[in-house]
Amino acid sequence: QVQLVESGGGVVQPGRSLRLSCAASGFTFSSSALHWVRQAPGKGLEWVAVISYDGFNKYYADSVRGRFTLSRDNSKNALYLQMNSLRTEDTAVYYCATGGGNYYNAFHIWGQGTMVTVSS
Amino acid sequence: EIVLTQSPDFQSVTPKEKVTITCRASQSIGSSLHWYQQKPDQSPKLLIKYASQSFSGVPSRFSGSGSGTDFTLTINSLEAEDAATYYCHQSSTLPLTFGGGTKVEIK
Repeated sequence: QVQLVESGGGVVQPGRSLRLSCAASGFTFSSSALHWVRQAPGKGLEWVAVISYDGFNKYYADSVRGRFTLSRDNSKNALYLQMNSLRTEDTAVYYCATGGGNYYNAFHIWGQGTMVTVSS
Repeated sequence: EIVLTQSPDFQSVTPKEKVTITCRASQSIGSSLHWYQQKPDQSPKLLIKYASQSFSGVPSRFSGSGSGTDFTLTINSLEAEDAATYYCHQSSTLPLTFGGGTKVEIK
C-alpha cells in the first residue's frame, strides 16, 4: 500500500523545537523527492520545503528558512523536519507529499498530516 | 515568487450543474499547473496534473485546461460528493506555490 504517515506533532511553546517524521511505504522512497506542505487552521495550503531523493539538495520557503531543517534516511524510508525557534504562525497541519523523483512533479501521494500547535 | 490567484473564492452549486474555477499565475508557468481536491479533515488529492492531464482514477467529469498564466478546472455535472475546496499549484519555479482555494458547496 502506497502511503506516507506523519508523526511528531503536538503543542509547543514559542521559541521551542519540534521534530516531525514521515514514514513511507509502498513506493521507491530512495528515488523520490519529498516535500512538506502545511495548512494553518481554516487556511489554504503553503509549501514549506523539499529535499532531493539523495538528500543533497534542499530548498525552503522564506517563512521557514534558517529555522527548519530537512533530512532523510533512505535506509529507513523516513523523512524528517526539524523545526526550531517555532512561532505562533507555524501552527498548522503539516503534510509530507511526493510526486516522484523530480521536485517539479505534481504531488500524487500525501500523508494524513500531523498537527503542530505553537502556543504559550 | 509566483502568485496564483483563484476565483471565485466560494461557489454554491446545484447537483448536475457545471462548475468552472479559474487560476491565474503572476507570470507564465507553461503547463506546470496542477489541481487538487480537499474535503474537510482530509489531505488533498490530485485531480489534474500539468494543466490538462487527468490523474489515475479521477472521474471523467473533472477536466483542466490552459497554459501560460490562465488555467481552468471544470467539473461537469457536479455530484454531491464533489463538495470540497479546490486548489491550484504551480511547479514551474521554486518556491512552489498554491492558490488560495475555491470552496464548492452543494445547494
